[in-house]
Formats: sequence, C-alpha cells, structure tokens
Amino acid sequence: NAGVTQTPKFRVLKTGQSMTLLCAQDMNHEYMYWYRQDPGMGLRLIHYSVGEGTTAKGEVPDGYNVSRLKKQNFLLGLESAAPSQTSVYFCASSYSRVQPQHFGDGTRLSIL
Amino acid sequence: SQQGEEDPQALSIQEGENATMNCSYKTSINNLQWYRQNSGRGLVHLILIRSNEREKHSGRLRVTLDTSKKSSSLLITASRAADTASYFCATDMEYGNKLVFGAGTILRVKS
Repeated sequence: NAGVTQTPKFRVLKTGQSMTLLCAQDMNHEYMYWYRQDPGMGLRLIHYSVGEGTTAKGEVPDGYNVSRLKKQNFLLGLESAAPSQTSVYFCASSYSRVQPQHFGDGTRLSIL
Repeated sequence: SQQGEEDPQALSIQEGENATMNCSYKTSINNLQWYRQNSGRGLVHLILIRSNEREKHSGRLRVTLDTSKKSSSLLITASRAADTASYFCATDMEYGNKLVFGAGTILRVKS
C-alpha cells in the first residue's frame, strides 16, 4: 500500500519552462489537494479537488493549473515557471473534507 | 493572514522531558488537527480534535482545545530523540472547504 506518491521528487527548471507534477493515491480517497511549503510559512493550498472531474482554487492558485481526470490522480501544472514558484510541493488526499489528510513526500522544485 | 499560529517557533528539550506546543486560531472551527513533519518528508497526521471535544489522548500525545480562547495545545510526554520534527496545527474552519495550516513549531529533542 503506497499511500500518496509524488513524481518527480526533485526538478530544476529554467524560467519560462513548463512542467507537470504528478500525484497518485491508492486509498480511493475522494478529496485531493496540492500545497506549497515555503520556509516559515507553513503549507498554503494551491488547488484542490472534491472528486473525479472537479477542481477548485485554493489560497494561492495563480500560475498553476490542475486536472483530476481519474479519481486516483491529481496533476499540478506550471505553464510558465517563475522563480517565485521555487518551493516544495506536497500532494495530499483524504476520504472526506473532515477526515485527516495523507501526504506524499513532496517534490522539490527549483526555478532558475 | 494565517488562521493557525503555533507557539513557540522552536523548542529544544532533553530526552525524557515533556514538550508543549500551542496553537491559536481566529475563526470558528469544525475540528483542529495536529501533524508532524520529519525533515525531508511529508506531513503525518497525529490527532484530530472536534470542536465539541476538550481533550484527547493518543499514546504519549495529549491535545486540548479551548474554543472560547480559540487555542489548542499539544503535549508530548517523555520525549524521545525520534520526536525531533516540525509540528503543525491545522484548522478545519466552520465555513470553508479546506484545512489551514500554521507555520509550525520546530522541536528538537536532545539525547
């Protein structure tokens, strides 16, 4: 039982490049989330999904897009990477909104 | 501004001592959750306390919630070196569809 798996674990991009971060969960959870973690700021919610085919904006959605075509996968896209998007990105999932969230181990993204 | 704020920002104690971390929040909540994050890893859920609960225990963890003061505390008893980590509180706000995390407390347990 892998839980929440994030791919890749590390990536370095140049300003203006695009990429997609992958998140997969094998717990049949309805809810999935993308966060970014910056030093001293805790986690901030980028986008989330309450079920297959749905997405919604979180606290800091600008510059990111997401898709949830399959229940087990939640993709985070950066269309034109900027240095301000250098961060650690975490994906999480939960059975319902009020249930605890299960986190992946993060993707460390540097944008030069 | 963040809903949940932890205090202290950092805490260093000796193995065997108790560690207490506090969390304050601003708006009404459905529940409050505590998570641990080891260096380089994702967050791990520790305990959830609902708004109608005042205290909850899980092993060496004790969480209290005071909704009148909008605050919670996490007590780790008889700490171990393996408890060294960052600890975050997260509030499930009464009107909202998400958890809001605080900036965390960095706990270092010296052996």
